[in-house]
This record gives sequence, structure tokens and C-alpha cells, in this order.
Amino acid sequence: QVQLQESGPGLVKPSQTLSLTCTVSGGSIRSGNYYWSWIRQPAGKGLEWIGRIFTSGSTNYNPSLKSRVTISVDTSKNQFSLKLSSVTAADTAVYYCARGGYYDPNAFDIWGQGTMVTVSS
Amino acid sequence: QSVLTQPPSVSAAPGQKVTISCSGSSSNIGTNYVSWYQQLPGTAPKLLIYDTNERPSGIPDRFSGSKSGTSATLGIAGLQTGDEADYYCGTWDSSLSGVVFGGGTKLTVL
Repeated sequence: QVQLQESGPGLVKPSQTLSLTCTVSGGSIRSGNYYWSWIRQPAGKGLEWIGRIFTSGSTNYNPSLKSRVTISVDTSKNQFSLKLSSVTAADTAVYYCARGGYYDPNAFDIWGQGTMVTVSS
Repeated sequence: QSVLTQPPSVSAAPGQKVTISCSGSSSNIGTNYVSWYQQLPGTAPKLLIYDTNERPSGIPDRFSGSKSGTSATLGIAGLQTGDEADYYCGTWDSSLSGVVFGGGTKLTVL
């Protein structure tokens, strides 16, 4: 049973870089044709896809965030990571990591529990 | 402002059926599969429907999906109080080259 767990600082100062890691357990991040995504949700609002990385290392990013986002994978640790630079209060949200590709590349069948990140000085 | 448009809220009585609409365009719903998610309060979203009308294993057949043109619909039959949640549609947008979601619909079971 594959599980995902987000980790990282819960508080980030404005203009700094938000860094989160998603640890995959119960299976190898390299196995299968999966897309590993980051999705966020501001309090009381809807879901926003941030971007994804394929097992091969290729990436896709939300055009509205592309200039600030980097998603990478560390297969030796069975993890993938998110870096979001130059953060502002608008980046305050619950951040989820999720897996796509088991049923459909763009359908997320496994989600982490989410981690709250607040941008504040 | 979400790329996909959903009604903010819907409601129905226990045992009844409700539908939730998701409106998009030719670059997203019109040409790509749609997925639907259920988000119970304080929890991560859960996949209900993929490929527009397919259910993952473990999802009861009370949940159904369909699509016509640039709009998709989630149907929930035999409503239960435990179905009270936020529901989101999502799909790939070929113009944006990214996944897009609707703004979410809050279901109230009266």
C-alpha cells in the first residue's frame, strides 16, 4: 500500500524559498509510469495544481507559478521535493503531494495528508 | 478564478440523487478525461471518478460521471449524510499544459 507523507517548515518568511519533501513509502518511486505532483489549497478555497515530475525526471509546471517552482526527485531516498521561491502571503496554503498515473496521468489516486505552510514575518 | 466552473453549493435530502456540474472549454473538458474528488472536512481529497466515468476500486456505484461537450457531471445517488463534503472536478488543459480544477461544490444532505 503506497503512502505519501509531506514534510517541511510550517512557517516561511516573505521573499524566502518554501521547501517541502514528499516521502513515498510502500513502493518504489521509480516503479511504474507515475507522475508525482504537488497541489495546494488555501484555507477555505479550492485546489491549485502546482506541478509534477515524471519517473524519468521530466517536469510540467502550472504556468502561473512556473517562474518560481522547481520540482525534483531523489530516487535514492524515495522522495520528491518542491521549491517555491519569492513567497508571499498568497502562498499560504495546505500543500499536498499526490500520485497520478495509476488510472490516468491526470487523476490523483493517492494523496498525502497535507502540510500547512504559512508565509509570515 | 478557476478554469473550470462548478456551482458553489448543492443540497438534497437523504436517499435522493444529486448532480454536480463542471463547465470548461474545448481545451480541457472538451478534449480530455475528467476526474472527480471528494474532500471531507479536514482531510485530503479522495479520487471518486477518473477517465470521466470510471470508478476506482472501492468506490460505490452510487457515484457516477458523465460528459457532454465541454461540461461534465458527477452524480451521487442514494444520498447519505456521510456524503456531505466538498467535491472537485479536474482535468488536463491542453492550452495551459497543466492540470486544472474547478472551484469546488459543497454538498449538503438535508
